[in-house]
Amino acid sequence: AQSVTQLGSHVSVSEGALVLLRCNYSSSVPPYLFWYVQYPNQGLQLLLKYTSAATLVKGINGFEAEFKKSETSFHLTKPSAHMSDAAEYFCAVSEGYSSASKIIFGSGTRLSIRP
Amino acid sequence: GAVVSQHPSWVICKSGTSVKIECRSLDFQATTMFWYRQFPKQSLMLMATSNEGSKATYEQGVEKDKFLINHASLTLSTLTVTSAHPEDSSFYICSSGKWGRGDNYGYTFGSGTRLTVV
Repeated sequence: AQSVTQLGSHVSVSEGALVLLRCNYSSSVPPYLFWYVQYPNQGLQLLLKYTSAATLVKGINGFEAEFKKSETSFHLTKPSAHMSDAAEYFCAVSEGYSSASKIIFGSGTRLSIRP
Repeated sequence: GAVVSQHPSWVICKSGTSVKIECRSLDFQATTMFWYRQFPKQSLMLMATSNEGSKATYEQGVEKDKFLINHASLTLSTLTVTSAHPEDSSFYICSSGKWGRGDNYGYTFGSGTRLTVV
């Protein structure tokens, strides 16, 4: 079964600094990988997704992630953090290629931004 | 496109009563709906997968008789928490996948329902 591991339950960076949130997937190449953001008491919003079309994926709000097969990683980055980026971030993997495929979430990383 | 509307956003109920949560796909046909539960500061845990016109598939450890799922149409799936108890208090989120070529696919999530049982 597919799985993802997020290293670091809490990351704190200064405003304007680089954001790096780590995600590693299970050894088998996953169908699709996702990064979602969740603000308090809200649902999840898709930041970006990996579909095998390109290893460097650009998403919304200036985020991007790079799929590295050799490292089984899909880390999320943003060059310059904004206060509005403070939220919970989830890496996720689908178990298949259809809309009926389950999506499995990592444990989440809470991002805090220091003024 | 691919919007899932979830209601209510929050609900407070007395212990022993039942609560129904609705998720509607507004601009696509949701053949499959996933139901998640999220405790504070934790990740989303899949409870069950519902398919239109058939019985839901529950994850291990989820009580089928407590969490009743109905997916009677391609645009509506409901989760009913029966005989709710304080330990059922949680954030419930639904999700459905819209698939297509290229960038036109993915999972979309409802806005969540905060259930508090008193």
